[in-house]
Amino acid sequence: GENVEQHPSTLSVQEGDSAVIKCTYSDSASNYFPWYKQELGKRPQLIIDIRSNVGEKKDQRIAVTLNKTAKHFSLHITETQPEDSAVYFCAASKKDFGNEKLTFGTGTRLTIIP
Amino acid sequence: NAGVTQTPKFQVLKTGQSMTLQCAQDMNHEYMSWYRQDPGMGLRLIHYSVGAGITDQGEVPNGYNVSRSTTEDFPLRLLSAAPSQTSVYFCASSLDGRRVAQFFGPGTRLTVL
Repeated sequence: GENVEQHPSTLSVQEGDSAVIKCTYSDSASNYFPWYKQELGKRPQLIIDIRSNVGEKKDQRIAVTLNKTAKHFSLHITETQPEDSAVYFCAASKKDFGNEKLTFGTGTRLTIIP
Repeated sequence: NAGVTQTPKFQVLKTGQSMTLQCAQDMNHEYMSWYRQDPGMGLRLIHYSVGAGITDQGEVPNGYNVSRSTTEDFPLRLLSAAPSQTSVYFCASSLDGRRVAQFFGPGTRLTVL
């Protein structure tokens, strides 16, 4: 099955600086890569996603890049703000007997230092 | 729209008891899924459904049953609770399989003693 590894497990950055979280996946057939943000005690929220036919996608201060050859994808947050503090999860999905199944990374706890 | 709702928010069970976690969505989404979240392990797929009457197993299905009799509801049944099933359970839905888990419910925190 698919295996998704996520690094680092914890990340602290100064407010205003950029944060980068990296994930690798094992199955070259994976074709959908979402990122979720989970605040303490809350539900995961989909913040951005990318498909394998696109190399980069941006939405305001967040962007995701995908390198299919190396089988890794990254989340970039620029101009970080205190409200960006949360746990971020990457995931990968591929069609399995016609249906998509998500495999999650183990999460990165991002702390923004004021 | 209420989005994805889950009940109960908290539950304590004794080993061997059974119960059903409820999940409902009012967005007419075809794809619904159940995940469990354990510390340091991310979210793991238990079961999913691509439409009413269609369900399939995920990564960790043992000890759980599901059914999908309507588009709106996707209950998760614990047959005989075990301490290893202590976890936070999230239900998710999406319009179709392209986004897989677009919206999550608020979660159910389950403790099995």
